[in-house]
Formats: sequence, structure tokens, C-alpha cells
Amino acid sequence: EPEVTQTPSHQVTQMGQEVILRCVPISNHLYFYWYRQILGQKVEFLVSFYNNEISEKSEIFDDQFSVERPDGSNFTLKIRSTKLEDSAMYFCASSEAGHQGYEQYFGPGTRLTVT
Amino acid sequence: GENVEQHPSTLSVQEGDSAVIKCTYSDSASNYFPWYKQELGKGPQLIIDIRSNVGEKKDQRIAVTLNKTAKHFSLHITETQPEDSAVYFCAARKAGTALIFGKGTTLSVSS
Repeated sequence: EPEVTQTPSHQVTQMGQEVILRCVPISNHLYFYWYRQILGQKVEFLVSFYNNEISEKSEIFDDQFSVERPDGSNFTLKIRSTKLEDSAMYFCASSEAGHQGYEQYFGPGTRLTVT
Repeated sequence: GENVEQHPSTLSVQEGDSAVIKCTYSDSASNYFPWYKQELGKGPQLIIDIRSNVGEKKDQRIAVTLNKTAKHFSLHITETQPEDSAVYFCAARKAGTALIFGKGTTLSVSS
């Protein structure tokens, strides 16, 4: 069964450093998402991406964040200058396009620890 | 924007009992309501979903009901098993927008 994959599974970085989180969405999916989950809290939407551009973003997704689809398979989230409060699980998700394409499938997540 | 409330935050049941988790939403334009199960250290896994043109949907031991008038939907798990123990999240969205999640329910099934 196709699945969303994410690397790395755990990333430790120092405050102020840049990190790039990587995702490989399901191959025939056209909509891509990043969510984050601070420990013990709910999953929060960051950004959605379609046709090589951001289609929606939350207020969490400020100028320190960016997303990119550098090639035909990867989808990345870059955090430019990490802060302690960026420590969280980051989940990538993907879904098919079209009217029936509501289901979002999540990857296993990347645990980001900012020290 | 959409706001999703979920109750209870924790739920403990005996193996074989039923479990019910309830969610309410605020945006009447929301038309898609998935439920996710999250096991420790893993990503949310879609277990069942319902669209606004349907009142109830069943898949083996799990079922979801939707009351559009009252803007609430519920997850029902029958004949619970220890492997059902996990955190369950409800979510809501309207077409073309992001999923908005509830705060989650930690379900513990003891044998």
C-alpha cells in the first residue's frame, strides 16, 4: 500500500540554525500539506501546496517557514532560523486532487528538537 | 474560521465495551469529517470519514454519525480490544481548505 514517507525521523538542531524536513508524498497525489504537533497537543495545520504554489497557510506559517517541491517526488519544509518553540513533531500529508480527493494521508513525522 | 471541540480528553474502558468520542464544529460550511488514530510515535492514521450528505457510516467495529443541524459528529467503537488503545482525533474541513483537528482523546482499553 502506498504511503507518505518522511526523513529524518528525528532532527536535533541548535537555536538559530536552519533545518529542512523532507517528505515523499504518495505518487499520484497532487495536494501536499505540512502540519505540526507540539508534544501532547493537537495537530495544527501549517501550509498546503498545489501546482507548485502555496494554496493556504495558517498564521503559524510565518516568514521563517518555506516549502518547496524541488523535484517530482520530494516536498520540503524549511525553517530558516529555528526557535525553541519550533520543537514539535512535523507531519507531511498528501491527498488526490479533485472533488473526491478529501482524504489526507499522513507520514510518520519528523521529531524536531531545538536546543 | 473553523473550531473543533472534542470530548472526552481521556476515556478508559474494559475490553469488549463500547467507546464513544464526540466532536462539535462551528463552521456550517464544513462538509468532510475524518477520524484519525495515532499510536505512540507514529503519524495520524485515517480510520473512517464521513461527508455531509451522509448521516452514518460503518466499517466493521467502528462507526461515525453526523448531525449537521447540531453540528456534531461522533465515533463509536464496539467490542473494544487492547489494540484500540491510542489517541483519536476528529477533524473537519470544507472543500479546498485545511483539516482542523480536535484536541484528541486518549483511549485506554484494559483487558
